[in-house]
Amino acid sequence: SAVISQKPSRDICQRGTSLTIQCQVDSQVTMMFWYRQQPGQSLTLIATANQGSEATYESGFVIDKFPISRPNLTFSTLTVSNMSPEDSSIYLCSGGQGRAEAFFGQGTRLTVV
Amino acid sequence: GNSVTQMEGPVTLSEEAFLTINCTYTATGYPSLFWYVQYPGEGLQLLLKATKADDKGSNKGFEATYRKETTSFHLEKGSVQVSDSAVYFCALSDQGGSEKLVFGKGTKLTVNP
Repeated sequence: SAVISQKPSRDICQRGTSLTIQCQVDSQVTMMFWYRQQPGQSLTLIATANQGSEATYESGFVIDKFPISRPNLTFSTLTVSNMSPEDSSIYLCSGGQGRAEAFFGQGTRLTVV
Repeated sequence: GNSVTQMEGPVTLSEEAFLTINCTYTATGYPSLFWYVQYPGEGLQLLLKATKADDKGSNKGFEATYRKETTSFHLEKGSVQVSDSAVYFCALSDQGGSEKLVFGKGTKLTVNP
């Protein structure tokens, strides 16, 4: 099984600023994803992080707001840009390989004030 | 598009009670089905999965059977414990696992001693 580490685990940020969340996997994975979990809600996929190329965004999410990098098979970052209180959520990184299960990081709990 | 409909919560049970959390899905093709659990303050953990019709996933006393005829994947446990208190998410993957997941809204379970 893969272990996914995310940091920071939580942060409180001022509106208008940006936060970059890091996701490190302890083994190479084919696929990496970023999800958002708004308070009391389910998880919504933000984008698929593609190695060495632009991420693939889901409807309602754009690169300018959520730029994503994936320089190699074990690391990815998500930036939440120009934050507003509506961005307060838990952000989760997920990764997996082939037909195996998807593993999740512990999540980053973001509060925007 | 693919979707998951999950029983609304919250659910409150006494210890040793029988648990059922209903989950139905809409998908093209042959998705894999999952139950994830989120304990208070923690990230998502895979509880069980089934990758084809009539498969039964099981773990920690929980079971769910992939019913293609009723497009369902209900979660059951014969005797719940206080430690089972968590939020349970039903999810599907339309590429057989480790691809992007579509989640239900989650069901919060509280088990009282």
